[in-house]
Amino acid sequence: GENVEQHPSTLSVQEGDSAVIKCTYSDSASNYFPWYKQELGKRPQLIIDIRSNVGEKKDQRIAVTLNKTAKHFSLHITETQPEDSAVYFCAASANNNDMRFGAGTRLTVKP
Amino acid sequence: NAGVMQNPRHLVRRRGQEARLRCSPMKGHSHVYWYRQLPEEGLKFMVYLQKENIIDESGMPKERFSAEFPKEGPSILRIQQVVRGDSAAYFCASSPFKFGGADEKLFFGSGTQLSVL
Repeated sequence: GENVEQHPSTLSVQEGDSAVIKCTYSDSASNYFPWYKQELGKRPQLIIDIRSNVGEKKDQRIAVTLNKTAKHFSLHITETQPEDSAVYFCAASANNNDMRFGAGTRLTVKP
Repeated sequence: NAGVMQNPRHLVRRRGQEARLRCSPMKGHSHVYWYRQLPEEGLKFMVYLQKENIIDESGMPKERFSAEFPKEGPSILRIQQVVRGDSAAYFCASSPFKFGGADEKLFFGSGTQLSVL
């Protein structure tokens, strides 16, 4: 089955800097890659997703890139703000398959 | 649309008791997923269900754990004879279509925090 690895496990940046979180997946059939943000004590919320027919997708300060050949995808947050502090999860799924998550990255944005 | 509803929000059980966690998917969603989250860890897949069918239970322990999603009513995750190691947050998520369809997005409930004393 699918195995998703996520790095780093913790990330601390200064407000205004960029943050990058990377994930790799094992199942070449995976074709859908969402990212979730989970604030302390709350449910995971979808923030952006990308499908395998697209290499990059951007939504304001958040962007995701996908390299299908290397089987890795990344989340980029620019101009970070304290409210971006949370745990971020990447995930991967293939047609007719279940969504598997990375272990999460705890992002801390220092004011 | 009330979103994915989970109850109870918090559940305390003593070792050996049974825990029943409920999940009502979003209106119109027929696919339900259960995930377990240990403190400071990620979301671990447990089971994927459609109405009246278990599609994939590869992430669920073989003993003491069971799940169902009846034709009517919420999905239930049942843990028998709970042990301290079962203490975790259990999240339910729902989706309108089987993954690979037009809308694959997964919507999460607020979770049930299970504490085993």
